[in-house]
Amino acid sequence: QVQLVESGGGLVKPGGSLRLSCAASGFTFSDYYMSWIRQAPGKGLEWVSYISSSGSTIYYADSVKGRFTISRDNAKNSLYLQMNSLRAEDTAVYYCARDRLLAAAGTFDYWGQGTLVTVSS
Amino acid sequence: QSVLTQPPSVSAAPGQKVTISCSGSSSNIGNNYVSWYQQLPGTAPKLLIYDNNKRPSGIPDRFSGSKSGTSATLGITGLQTGDEADYYCGTWDSSLSAEVVFGGGTKLTVL
Repeated sequence: QVQLVESGGGLVKPGGSLRLSCAASGFTFSDYYMSWIRQAPGKGLEWVSYISSSGSTIYYADSVKGRFTISRDNAKNSLYLQMNSLRAEDTAVYYCARDRLLAAAGTFDYWGQGTLVTVSS
Repeated sequence: QSVLTQPPSVSAAPGQKVTISCSGSSSNIGNNYVSWYQQLPGTAPKLLIYDNNKRPSGIPDRFSGSKSGTSATLGITGLQTGDEADYYCGTWDSSLSAEVVFGGGTKLTVL
């Protein structure tokens, strides 16, 4: 069965960096577009970034552009999010999610359990 | 402020029907497919509806979706206490920069 397992969250000071990972299993990872989506405590969903199956096409939300970098290693069935220059408003649970189609359909059929990132001094 | 507008909360009694609206614009709902997600307390979101009105396997037909112009609607019939959750609509927004947008979420209470 499809599984997405995030890791790497934690407490970091403003201005600091963190790298999130998402381990995928149960499907052909290299076929699918993947995204990171976050949810601040008590708030709604916010899409963060998209990466194509090959990694050649990437999109970012304006709120993280220039600070976050999405990447993937298809040989390791893994998705990553490098987060730099972190701000208090980046505090959220970060979900890894698979796009339903073998394209950027904007529809996410599988989600991980999430990893909490807290930015605070 | 979310790009897509949803009511913050809706409520209905067990067995009844409820609808949740999602309002957008021509750059998002008007020209793209809409998805709906259910988020039970303390869990990750789950895909309920995709391509405006299609259900993934395993989703009961009590859940339905529709779209008209720049608005979409999620319908739930035969409400159960287990349907108490937050519901989110989502779609692409093809304005200045391509991005996925979500509604602010609607808390469903089954009285």
